[in-house]
Amino acid sequence: AQSVAQPEDQVNVAEGNPLTVKCTYSVSGNPYLFWYVQYPNRGLQFLLKYITGDNLVKGSYGFEAEFNKSQTSFHLKKPSALVSDSALYFCAVRDPYSNYQLIWGAGTKLIIKP
Amino acid sequence: DGGITQSPKYLFRKEGQNVTLSCEQNLNHDAMYWYRQDPGQGLRLIYYSQIVNDFQKGDIAEGYSVSREKKESFPLTVTSAQKNPTAFYLCATTLAGGGSEQFFGPGTRLTVL
Repeated sequence: AQSVAQPEDQVNVAEGNPLTVKCTYSVSGNPYLFWYVQYPNRGLQFLLKYITGDNLVKGSYGFEAEFNKSQTSFHLKKPSALVSDSALYFCAVRDPYSNYQLIWGAGTKLIIKP
Repeated sequence: DGGITQSPKYLFRKEGQNVTLSCEQNLNHDAMYWYRQDPGQGLRLIYYSQIVNDFQKGDIAEGYSVSREKKESFPLTVTSAQKNPTAFYLCATTLAGGGSEQFFGPGTRLTVL
């Protein structure tokens, strides 16, 4: 079955330190992978995606993600965290067997402490 | 939030009432989606539509209905058959094609009194 896992409910990072939000997936065929961010009581905002090509993908607000096929992972990273990065982050993968619907992870709450 | 509007932002419903949530887009996107989000949980797909006058059930369609009479509009009705409708509802759109990302509206928070 197709699935996405975000193993950490919450990640705490000090401002200025690097951050990583983890995502692993299970999908048949080539995965299309996405990261989104959600601020309280707002809709989701697209950050970045991996379709093909370079395994390191750069996105909005200084975020990047690395696609690792052997580990079936797509971790979100940022070299230096800001307090304003505090939000809920979702990983998603395209399901090639269900009209390309997105399969969503449960979300990871990122807290950046000053 | 781009060119997707959802209204109202907050909605209160009495038990036994049907309510309709609006979703309008000016992005000329083909596909539209309705998701439900509960506290501490991810997104669950209610309905989606890839073309006008056609739509498909998602994972939790029971107690909900939709229509797609225009490309720009995809209203969601929460019926009295939905036993626990209190949640945050998100509308999304996307271009055709498997590699396209979804764009989200600002959401409607529905509370049953």
